[in-house]
Amino acid sequence: GENVEQHPSTLSVQEGDSAVIKCTYSDSASNYFPWYKQELGKRPQLIIDIRSNVGEKKDQRIAVTLNKTAKHFSLHITETQPEDSAVYFCAASSNDYKLSFGAGTTVTVRA
Amino acid sequence: DAGITQSPRHKVTETGTPVTLRCHQTENHRYMYWYRQDPGHGLRLIHYSYGVKDTDKGEVSDGYSVSRSKTEDFLLTLESATSSQTSVYFCAIRPGQNTDTQYFGPGTRLTVL
Repeated sequence: GENVEQHPSTLSVQEGDSAVIKCTYSDSASNYFPWYKQELGKRPQLIIDIRSNVGEKKDQRIAVTLNKTAKHFSLHITETQPEDSAVYFCAASSNDYKLSFGAGTTVTVRA
Repeated sequence: DAGITQSPRHKVTETGTPVTLRCHQTENHRYMYWYRQDPGHGLRLIHYSYGVKDTDKGEVSDGYSVSRSKTEDFLLTLESATSSQTSVYFCAIRPGQNTDTQYFGPGTRLTVL
């Protein structure tokens, strides 16, 4: 099955700086790559996703890039704010629509 | 919140007892999923359903069974709970056949003593 690895496991950034989280996947058939944000005690919430026919997607301060050849994708958060502090999960799925998740990255934005 | 509720939200039980968690959705979605979330593992798929009475196993299905007798309800049962099943359980829905995105319910925190 699909194996998704996520790095780093924790990330501390100064407010206003950028944060980057990287994920790799093993199944070349994977074609959908969502990112979820989870605040403490809450449900995971989709923040952005990308499909394999697109190399980059941006939504305000967040962007995702995909390198199919290398089988890795990354989440970029610019101009970080305290409300960006959360756990972020990457995931991947193929045409079976079964998501495989990374282990998560705890992001802390220091004021 | 995609019209998803989970019950109970918290439960403490003892080893060996049966436990049933309920996921309820109000928007007639065909596809429903059960995940468990544990530190260091992200979310892992337990079982999923692609319609009434149509279910299949996920990555970590041992010790769990599911049932879907109505479109709106997807039940997860631990026949004989073990301490290793202490976890947070999330239900998710996928809105359409050609839609990849999954939306999660609020979760159930289960503690097995």
